[in-house]
Amino acid sequence: ETGVTQSPTHLIKTRGQQVTLRCSSQSGHNTVSWYQQALGQGPQFIFQYYREEENGRGNFPPRFSGLQFPNYSSELNVNALELDDSALYLCASSLTEDYEQYFGPGTRLTVT
Amino acid sequence: GENVEQHPSTLSVQEGDSAVIKCTYSDSASNYFPWYKQELGKGPQLIIDIRSNVGEKKDQRIAVTLNKTAKHFSLHITETQPEDSAVYFCAAKGSGAGSYQLTFGKGTKLSVIP
Repeated sequence: ETGVTQSPTHLIKTRGQQVTLRCSSQSGHNTVSWYQQALGQGPQFIFQYYREEENGRGNFPPRFSGLQFPNYSSELNVNALELDDSALYLCASSLTEDYEQYFGPGTRLTVT
Repeated sequence: GENVEQHPSTLSVQEGDSAVIKCTYSDSASNYFPWYKQELGKGPQLIIDIRSNVGEKKDQRIAVTLNKTAKHFSLHITETQPEDSAVYFCAAKGSGAGSYQLTFGKGTKLSVIP
């Protein structure tokens, strides 16, 4: 059974640019949640997708958007990047919306 | 919204000793409390969890206790080993549509000294 995978591993972008991060959920899981983890902090919830629909959103501006595909993989898009967007972006998948969440290794985004 | 506080922020123990990390939560509707271990450069790994209808759960050297009345829960690691060194996060989750996100504490850096 394949775990949660994320790509790319690392990414460097310039302020104002746009970025797309990708996540493949664990086999059989239909729910994906995205979190942002700043250095030295706990992960903060961005949003959750359940069966291709957004199923809850944290306190992040609209320039953070996402998609979930029919195979339940997911994308996180961030527009108009700011320096404070530099963080580890984590994807977690779960069997369904109310089950245990299993995290991928994350994508380290640096905005310069 | 939910607020989770975690203490201590750093913890050093001798190999073989026990380690205890404590968390409090604010939302009495929260009903699921997982603990994650995060090693350097990796994503958080679920190590144990507890639901609000249970007071204690144990898995080998790791145990979690929950006090719903006081709204706090704790992670206990016995017979610590150097490979237990990592950052540990507690989290809380509610139930119902739109409430499935995990709210995390700020983490505890555990160092096990050989």
